[in-house]
Amino acid sequence: AQTVTQSQPEMSVQEAETVTLSCTYDTSENNYYLFWYKQPPSRQMILVIRQEAYKQQNATENRFSVNFQKAAKSFSLKISDSQLGDTAMYFCACPQGGSEKLVFGKGTKLTVNP
Amino acid sequence: DGGITQSPKYLFRKEGQNVTLSCEQNLNHDAMYWYRQDPGQGLRLIYYSQIVNDFQKGDIAEGYSVSREKKESFPLTVTSAQKNPTAFYLCASSFLQGLYTFGSGTRLTVV
Repeated sequence: AQTVTQSQPEMSVQEAETVTLSCTYDTSENNYYLFWYKQPPSRQMILVIRQEAYKQQNATENRFSVNFQKAAKSFSLKISDSQLGDTAMYFCACPQGGSEKLVFGKGTKLTVNP
Repeated sequence: DGGITQSPKYLFRKEGQNVTLSCEQNLNHDAMYWYRQDPGQGLRLIYYSQIVNDFQKGDIAEGYSVSREKKESFPLTVTSAQKNPTAFYLCASSFLQGLYTFGSGTRLTVV
């Protein structure tokens, strides 16, 4: 069964600084996507970024980027120039068994301090 | 605007009572999902459906039931067999692997 591990239950960062959230996963698939979702205090889940596993280039969306290490099955999220609005739970996710179902990690609670 | 709507936002259940959580989408997505969120547990899959009139159990289906009579609708019933139903419930839909659109959730509390 696919598993997703986020080893940092909580993190904090000062506004304008950079923070990296870790994620490791286990899958038997060769072609798949990986995802980071954000859940702010409103509890509305929002897609942050996704990575195609067959692409070597790391995905980037504005201040958000990933460090994807396929052989190590590692998929970390880097947030640059942190903003107060980045305060949220962040969930890493990968598809289960080649299907559209996602398996989520337990989340990292990120707090951005002024 | 297209989106996914969950109702109610808050729901209270008495012991031994069945309750139904609503999930409606107008995104024309084939796949729909129900997840349960508990503190420190992340999101766990209850049921999912990839097509009308078909659905499959997820990892924690015991005590829950669903139906998928219309593409737009995927209601979740929490039955009296679910002994610890207090949680936050999220519905999602997708048309592409893992690219989910989530509803705003329902907070269910046993009273």
